[in-house]
Amino acid sequence: ETGVTQSPTHLIKTRGQQVTLRCSSQSGHNTVSWYQQALGQGPQFIFQYYREEENGRGNFPPRFSGLQFPNYSSELNVNALELDDSALYLCASSNTGPAFFGQGTRLTVV
Amino acid sequence: QKEVEQDPGPLSVPEGAIVSLNCTYSNSAFQYFMWYRQYSRKGPELLMYTYSSGNKEDGRFTAQVDKSSKYISLFIRDSQPSDSATYLCATVSLGSSNTGKLIFGQGTTLQVKP
Repeated sequence: ETGVTQSPTHLIKTRGQQVTLRCSSQSGHNTVSWYQQALGQGPQFIFQYYREEENGRGNFPPRFSGLQFPNYSSELNVNALELDDSALYLCASSNTGPAFFGQGTRLTVV
Repeated sequence: QKEVEQDPGPLSVPEGAIVSLNCTYSNSAFQYFMWYRQYSRKGPELLMYTYSSGNKEDGRFTAQVDKSSKYISLFIRDSQPSDSATYLCATVSLGSSNTGKLIFGQGTTLQVKP
């Protein structure tokens, strides 16, 4: 078990709604990355935060946004949810080495 | 062409078999390579992390990187039913430190039958 925790574990939302997912990074880690994993696919990079600043973004529209707080925890916000946003959302934290993942939040958009 | 290619399987083997999982990558400048194991409905768990060419061993697991062929492998010896999971290979995108954006393969689903 890593020290990365995500909440909630499961979530059901209606198309058009907004959602906020939360992540607490492993102790000592100052970098948080978010990934989207569709069923049967590898995780796709959404964005990364380092010391509260966005530090890289993948090919996701602006309705995907994020925050990192002084304690290095992070939020992923998705506006105007679409059916295709249904996926496992993964948070990973790191410092100077490889990334460690949380257990993920499974989002279902209906 | 995808940056990291991985055969999705599924791969089914009997308990005790040696398993070979493979990925290819497109850019010879990639430097860091990882293998993650993902159980159903769980987050990926880091298994192996390598920087250079050659082999790295950890218990029953051996990671191999061949930069000349742009090929990475994970070998599992004496496979167990508890090894049944999806195995994801990954590398770090160029221009990033080793904490940067990860590029994943599709994942290979492995089933080890008792």
